[in-house]
Amino acid sequence: GENVEQHPSTLSVQEGDSAVIKCTYSDSASNYFPWYKQELGKRPQLIIDIRSNVGEKKDQRIAVTLNKTAKHFSLHITETQPEDSAVYFCAAKDGSGNTGKLIFGQGTTLQVKP
Amino acid sequence: DTGVSQNPRHKITKRGQNVTFRCDPISEHNRLYWYRQTLGQGPEFLTYFQNEAQLEKSRLLSDRFSAERPKGSFSTLEIQRTEQGDSAMYLCASSLNQGNEQYFGPGTRLTVT
Repeated sequence: GENVEQHPSTLSVQEGDSAVIKCTYSDSASNYFPWYKQELGKRPQLIIDIRSNVGEKKDQRIAVTLNKTAKHFSLHITETQPEDSAVYFCAAKDGSGNTGKLIFGQGTTLQVKP
Repeated sequence: DTGVSQNPRHKITKRGQNVTFRCDPISEHNRLYWYRQTLGQGPEFLTYFQNEAQLEKSRLLSDRFSAERPKGSFSTLEIQRTEQGDSAMYLCASSLNQGNEQYFGPGTRLTVT
């Protein structure tokens, strides 16, 4: 089955710097890769996603890149702000069957220091 | 509020008791998922419904767990004879049949004492 590895587990940056979180997946049939932001005690919130037919997607300060050959994808946050501090999860849609279930990475705790 | 809702938000129960959680998906979404999240980990898939049909169950879902979606709208997750290891956040998510985006509810935090 699908396996998703996420790095780093913690990331601390100064306000205004960029942050990059990387994930690898194992199932070459996966074709959908969302990123979720989870603040303490709150629900995971979908912030950006990418499908396997594109290599990059951008939404304001957030971008995601996908390398299908290497089976890895990354989240890039530019001009970080204190409110970006949260746990970020990558996920890959399971490529087998048609359930659409997501396999999540272990999470990255991002701390943006003012 | 048109998002996914879950009740209760918190549940404290004694070991051996039964508990039931409810999820109300976004109204037009016919796919519904249950996930479990423990501290410091990402959500783990438990089970999936398309309309009222339960189409997949994870190996994580022991015989003590049962889920239903009787009319293809809300869903319930029941845990019988709870154990301390069942303590976790139980998350529900929904999506459109042809879409990939899954939207999560706020979760039910279960504590088994």
